[in-house]
Amino acid sequence: DAKTTQPNSMESNEEEPVHLPCNHSTISGTDYIHWYRQLPSQGPEYVIHGLTSNVNNRMASLAIAEDRKSSTLILHRATLRDAAVYYCILRPLGNAGNMLTFGGGTRLMVKP
Amino acid sequence: DTGVSQDPRHKITKRGQNVTFRCDPISEHNRLYWYRQTLGQGPEFLTYFQNEAQLEKSRLLSDRFSAERPKGSFSTLEIQRTEQGDSAMYLCASSLGAGGAGTEAFFGQGTRLTVV
Repeated sequence: DAKTTQPNSMESNEEEPVHLPCNHSTISGTDYIHWYRQLPSQGPEYVIHGLTSNVNNRMASLAIAEDRKSSTLILHRATLRDAAVYYCILRPLGNAGNMLTFGGGTRLMVKP
Repeated sequence: DTGVSQDPRHKITKRGQNVTFRCDPISEHNRLYWYRQTLGQGPEFLTYFQNEAQLEKSRLLSDRFSAERPKGSFSTLEIQRTEQGDSAMYLCASSLGAGGAGTEAFFGQGTRLTVV
């Protein structure tokens, strides 16, 4: 399975933008880039996904490098409720779509 | 609440006992997944069902583990002869359809198992 590499932890100040990086140098052409986050004592929660183009939704933006070997999840204004572990996952297109391979993720700490 | 529901939320059991967990997926979702998460780690895939058929099992799913989804709706995960190494959070997720770009997984809050 293609793997992702993320920093173990990051800190941000409340109401400032946060850029969470992810490296996936062995990504294949049919792998989608998915981001999930896990708040304390909760199950993971879908955030956003993309293939080649940058994507925006109500939660975040996803910027994908032109060579697709890295991506960045952008939270435009971090709030205390955004403190969570963020997972970058490569999801192959096809029947195995949601047998997700989670790495260690990035623990985001948000300071008031 | 129409999300994925798991029961119980917490379970403490003595080593050697059997335990069973239940997952109720989002009602129209035909795919159901079980994951296990130990402290400080990301979730690890265990098994998944499409309707009532169990289509994939991880090598993490030892012979002591069995999962069922008898009518293609709720699912149960049973662990026989529990060991201390089974202590973990057991997460259930559901999704709609086959793998495609838009079918994200919806996770429940998990069942935390402690084996003493």
